[in-house]
Amino acid sequence: AQTVTQSQPEMSVQEAETVTLSCTYDTSESDYYLFWYKQPPSRQMILVIRQEAYKQQNATENRFSVNFQKAAKSFSLKISDSQLGDAAMYFCAYRSAPYNQGGKLIFGQGTELSVKP
Amino acid sequence: DSGVTQTPKHLITATGQRVTLRCSPRSGDLSVYWYQQSLDQGLQFLIQYYNGEERAKGNILERFSAQQFPDLHSELNLSSLELGDSALYFCASSLGIYNEQFFGPGTRLTVL
Repeated sequence: AQTVTQSQPEMSVQEAETVTLSCTYDTSESDYYLFWYKQPPSRQMILVIRQEAYKQQNATENRFSVNFQKAAKSFSLKISDSQLGDAAMYFCAYRSAPYNQGGKLIFGQGTELSVKP
Repeated sequence: DSGVTQTPKHLITATGQRVTLRCSPRSGDLSVYWYQQSLDQGLQFLIQYYNGEERAKGNILERFSAQQFPDLHSELNLSSLELGDSALYFCASSLGIYNEQFFGPGTRLTVL
């Protein structure tokens, strides 16, 4: 079975600075997808960024980028120019390729990010 | 607003009772997922439906059941409720099985 581990329960960053959230996963599959979701105090789950395992290029979405290391099974999220609105719980998630186990997401435990003004 | 609606927003009930949570997917989405978020277990996948058929099953208790109706809305039924069932229950929907999942606002269930 696949597992996702986020070893940092809490992180803090100064406004306008850069922060990196860590995520490791375990799988025997070669084709899969990885995601970062944001959950602000409203509890709404918001997709931040996704990465296809077959793509070597790291995904980027504005101030958010990932460092995907397939051999190391590592998938970290970098937030540049942190803003107060980035304060939230961040979840790393794994999904098997569609021909395997449907579309279920397997989540890590989450990292609570606080942003200091 | 993701376009996924869930009712009710909050639900308070007693142990041993039965409740039904409802989810309406985004217009055009055929796949519906249910997740449970609790302090003990974190975010866990429960079950997935695609166009009315069960597609994948996760750590869903036997006391829980779900279905997706012809109009594609879905219901999650929780029976013989226990204190440990208190959690935030999310519904998500996607166009197909492997498209991006959009999450609803969740239903907060409190079992007293």
